[in-house]
Amino acid sequence: IAGITQAPTSQILAAGRRMTLRCTQDMRHNAMYWYRQDLGLGLRLIHYSNTAGTTGKGEVPDGYSVSRANTDDFPLTLASAVPSQTSVYFCASSRSPGQPQYGYTFGSGTRLTVV
Amino acid sequence: DAKTTQPNSMESNEEEPVHLPCNHSTISGTDYIHWYRQLPSQGPEYVIHGLTSNVNNRMASLAIAEDRKSSTLILHRATLRDAAVYYCILRPIQGAQKLVFGQGTRLTINP
Repeated sequence: IAGITQAPTSQILAAGRRMTLRCTQDMRHNAMYWYRQDLGLGLRLIHYSNTAGTTGKGEVPDGYSVSRANTDDFPLTLASAVPSQTSVYFCASSRSPGQPQYGYTFGSGTRLTVV
Repeated sequence: DAKTTQPNSMESNEEEPVHLPCNHSTISGTDYIHWYRQLPSQGPEYVIHGLTSNVNNRMASLAIAEDRKSSTLILHRATLRDAAVYYCILRPIQGAQKLVFGQGTRLTINP
């Protein structure tokens, strides 16, 4: 089934540790996104990539980095995790960023707890 | 970014139609109206979108006011599986990478 695969599904991480959340899509979508979802704050955009080789900052980029070496993969790295990064992380993709007539496809999320 | 206003929560009965309203009085002429829903413990799921005309798909219908300042997502026959948070989002042509989520409407379906 075509879609987005996120890994791991959940993780408990010690503060100060480095962590990479993986995201892979098989739809050949150009654009990919990372959101975090927190109670009371809704979904907020962390970073995005309009096409392979390019990335951009979203609403809450601090403490996170991304790379887009190819079309399919868009990993999110926490260089030194802090408890405020405890959240549910969703990866998403869309056919093209400049074509709003296409919807986003979301992954099932990674639940991250930083202790 | 143009904002949307939705009721915090709504309740309906199984097998009855549900009309979920959304106000977007500052919508611009090039903004698409998108609806997503998020089932418990899942990622958001695309439902439907439109620009000016009403739209139908297998999941729902979207009715857009003539002045485009409001829209209504219609679930024709709600099931328990439709219980979710529904988000109405404006997606502009420029800056389209910023799909901005509001708080949405939490829909409860009673058996």
